Amino acid sequence: DAGVIQSPRHEVTEMGQEVTLRCKPISGHDYLFWYRQTMMRGLELLIYFNNNVPIDDSGMPEDRFSAKMPNASFSTLKIQPSEPRDSAVYFCASSLWGSSGALSYGYTFGSGTRLTVV
Amino acid sequence: DAKTTQPPSMDCAEGRAANLPCNHSTISGNEYVYWYRQIHSQGPQYIIHGLKNNETNEMASLIITEDRKSSTLILPHATLRDTAVYYCIVRDPNQGGKLIFGQGTELSVKP
Repeated sequence: DAGVIQSPRHEVTEMGQEVTLRCKPISGHDYLFWYRQTMMRGLELLIYFNNNVPIDDSGMPEDRFSAKMPNASFSTLKIQPSEPRDSAVYFCASSLWGSSGALSYGYTFGSGTRLTVV
Repeated sequence: DAKTTQPPSMDCAEGRAANLPCNHSTISGNEYVYWYRQIHSQGPQYIIHGLKNNETNEMASLIITEDRKSSTLILPHATLRDTAVYYCIVRDPNQGGKLIFGQGTELSVKP
């Protein structure tokens, strides 16, 4: 398996522009997570999905951020309009609910998208 | 989820065992201990997890105290490639899928 695939790896955009980050989870995984990492705030969970349904979006910073998962193999995180304070590394991760009924398997993270808003 | 306390940084000599401590004094009976690490510029990587028994895999060993209030991640023969930030996370997997990261321990393995 190729692991969790994120695109693009780097994105530089101007303030006010729309940015779309993409993620392909591991085939068969039923959980998908979006995280943001900055030096000041560390790794923050933004939103997560179970079977393509958003379960908890309490970490989404504001209405400018939105995430979708139209099918089991694809998710997007959109920022519109983007601001300089959105500059960060955005990670996508996926996981599988274990056969024992517990989330016993580890999360697998993608390589991240480094976003710079100027 | 129970909070964890880790030292902000540690050094280890190459080839020696690295012992990374984690305190989780408010852990509840259903909460597991998870360890992840993040090598610079990469996504976090799962290492190991456990509930009450000690665990070992190809990457590391996890020692959990009998009262479960603390644990230690052991890298038996640290290499330069083990230099990373190590995160100890405590959570109940049956209470939803969230994994919340703290500040972790920055381990520097030196030649």
